[in-house]
Amino acid sequence: EDQVTQSPEALRLQEGESSSLNCSYTVSGLRGLFWYRQDPGKGPEFLFTLYSAGEEKEKERLKATLTKKESFLHITAPKPEDSATYLCAVEGGGSRLTFGEGTQLTVNP
Amino acid sequence: NAGVTQTPKFRILKIGQSMTLQCTQDMNHNYMYWYRQDPGMGLKLIYYSVGAGITDKGEVPNGYNVSRSTTEDFPLRLELAAPSQTSVYFCASSMSTGFGNTIYFGEGSWLTVV
Repeated sequence: EDQVTQSPEALRLQEGESSSLNCSYTVSGLRGLFWYRQDPGKGPEFLFTLYSAGEEKEKERLKATLTKKESFLHITAPKPEDSATYLCAVEGGGSRLTFGEGTQLTVNP
Repeated sequence: NAGVTQTPKFRILKIGQSMTLQCTQDMNHNYMYWYRQDPGMGLKLIYYSVGAGITDKGEVPNGYNVSRSTTEDFPLRLELAAPSQTSVYFCASSMSTGFGNTIYFGEGSWLTVV
């Protein structure tokens, strides 16, 4: 059974204070690891897909990395508008996504 | 630029009532999904469909039914609503189940059963 664990559950940062969110996973036959952003009252918004260990992707202040056991979402010099819940998901051999419970990020001005 | 559209946005049901959540997508995706999200919990897959006429159960299918008569539409039916079905429901779609099956979500439907 595929499993995804995200940490921390919640993270408070000051504007400009860089940090990382963790996504640990177990999956049989990783087809893809996904990061989504979810704002309150909204559906998850796709950010990145990572396919293999060593891969990295960047978008504005966000950078996602992948190893064989975990993924990190690095946030550089965050702004208040980066406040959201960040969800990690994996697609394994069953071709269905398994989601973690998310990290709620708050960036204070 | 509609993407995945869900209706209604909010609904209150009484125990034992039935209702249908509507979902339509305009991206010509073959895969469609229904998830539920409870407070502080991850998304749980209810049902999914790989194409018109084909549906399959996810992790938490009990109390729900689906149909897929067209590529665009994937309604979710709640029969005999129970308080445990109070949740936020998300419809989603994706192109295929090749590697990296990126799923795109609707805005959600908030359901309360009282």
